[in-house]
Amino acid sequence: EPEVTQTPSHQVTQMGQEVILRCVPISNHLYFYWYRQILGQKVEFLVSFYNNEISEKSEIFDDQFSVERPDGSNFTLKIRSTKLEDSAMYFCASSGQGRNQPQHFGDGTRLSIL
Amino acid sequence: GESVGLHLPTLSVQEGDNSIINCAYSNSASDYFIWYKQESGKGPQFIIDIRSNMDKRQGQRVTVLLNKTVKHLSLQIAATQPGDSAVYFCAEEPRSNSNSGYALNFGKGTSLLVTP
Repeated sequence: EPEVTQTPSHQVTQMGQEVILRCVPISNHLYFYWYRQILGQKVEFLVSFYNNEISEKSEIFDDQFSVERPDGSNFTLKIRSTKLEDSAMYFCASSGQGRNQPQHFGDGTRLSIL
Repeated sequence: GESVGLHLPTLSVQEGDNSIINCAYSNSASDYFIWYKQESGKGPQFIIDIRSNMDKRQGQRVTVLLNKTVKHLSLQIAATQPGDSAVYFCAEEPRSNSNSGYALNFGKGTSLLVTP
């Protein structure tokens, strides 16, 4: 069964440094998402991406964040200057064409900011 | 603001019993709902979904019920097994005129513990 894959599984970074989290969505999906989950809390939407541009973003997704689809298979989330409060699990998801399609999630990257 | 929430943070059931996990939503504009299962160290795993034009949908050992009148969603798991132990989240997709991306709003989760 096709799945969303994310790398690395765990990233440890010094505060102020840049990080790039990587995702390979399901190959025939057209919609891509990033979510985060702070330990013990619910999953929160960050951004959605379609047709090579951001389609929706939350208040969390400020100017420090950016997303990119550099080629036909990868989807990345960059945090330019990390803060302590960026420590969380970051999940990538993808879905097929149109509304009311289930989003399928990867197993996440645990980001730890020191 | 409108939100999706869960009535019970933890649920303990005996193996073989049926489990019911509840979710209340307040966004009347939501027209699509999904239940996810999250095991430790894993991402949310799709279980079952339901559109707002339905009130019941069945899968393998799982049933989702939607009551739009009281804005309530439930997940029923038949003959619960130890492998069902996980955190369960409901998520809603608000109705939108956009065709370019659909943010899910997740609830806080219910931890299901299945005891032998």
